[in-house]
Amino acid sequence: GIQVEQSPPDLILQEGANSTLRCNFSDSVNNLQWFHQNPWGQLINLFYIPSGTKQNGRLSATTVATERYSLLYISSSQTTDSGVYFCAVFRNSGYALNFGKGTSLLVTP
Amino acid sequence: GAVVSQHPSRVICKSGTSVKIECRSLDFQATTMFWYRQFPKQSLMLMATSNEGSKATYEQGVEKDKFLINHASLTLSTLTVTSAHPEDSSFYICSARDKRGVYEQYFGPGTRLTVT
Repeated sequence: GIQVEQSPPDLILQEGANSTLRCNFSDSVNNLQWFHQNPWGQLINLFYIPSGTKQNGRLSATTVATERYSLLYISSSQTTDSGVYFCAVFRNSGYALNFGKGTSLLVTP
Repeated sequence: GAVVSQHPSRVICKSGTSVKIECRSLDFQATTMFWYRQFPKQSLMLMATSNEGSKATYEQGVEKDKFLINHASLTLSTLTVTSAHPEDSSFYICSARDKRGVYEQYFGPGTRLTVT
């Protein structure tokens, strides 16, 4: 199946700082999603972004499909941004998702 | 829109008993629902794919007789953990794919199962 690697595995930021999370994938994809898992376990859809760039408030994402990577930008981070950020792509068959191992983000006051 | 609910949110049961977890798409019809399992500080691992009206497809290593999945309607899928053991304790998350064919998936809030 398609391998998904995320970096960095852990990240600590001070409130107000910016950060970039990276997702590399091993094959071409026609679906890529970024999720934020909050401390209670709920997965929140951030972006559906198989290619191109999208922005939503302080968050933006870019996927360069030809080079097999995606970036998630968090600007002016807030403590509520803390949690785990996952990148996921379609598996080779069906529509289930292959998840990366996630980036655990802690934003301190 | 695109809300998926799960019930219960957490459950504690004794070894040997069975537990049923419900996953519902509240404002859309889901052709396909997925069940994932997540251990502490780990990623989500797919357990099975369920399509409305047909048998679920299980991932390698997942016991289909232990984890019974029923997708009875376009808005409801259930996962029953039979004869639960402590090693079945985990966080179970469902997701649903909209019938209208968009690729995006929506996740339920998860169910934390503890088997004592």
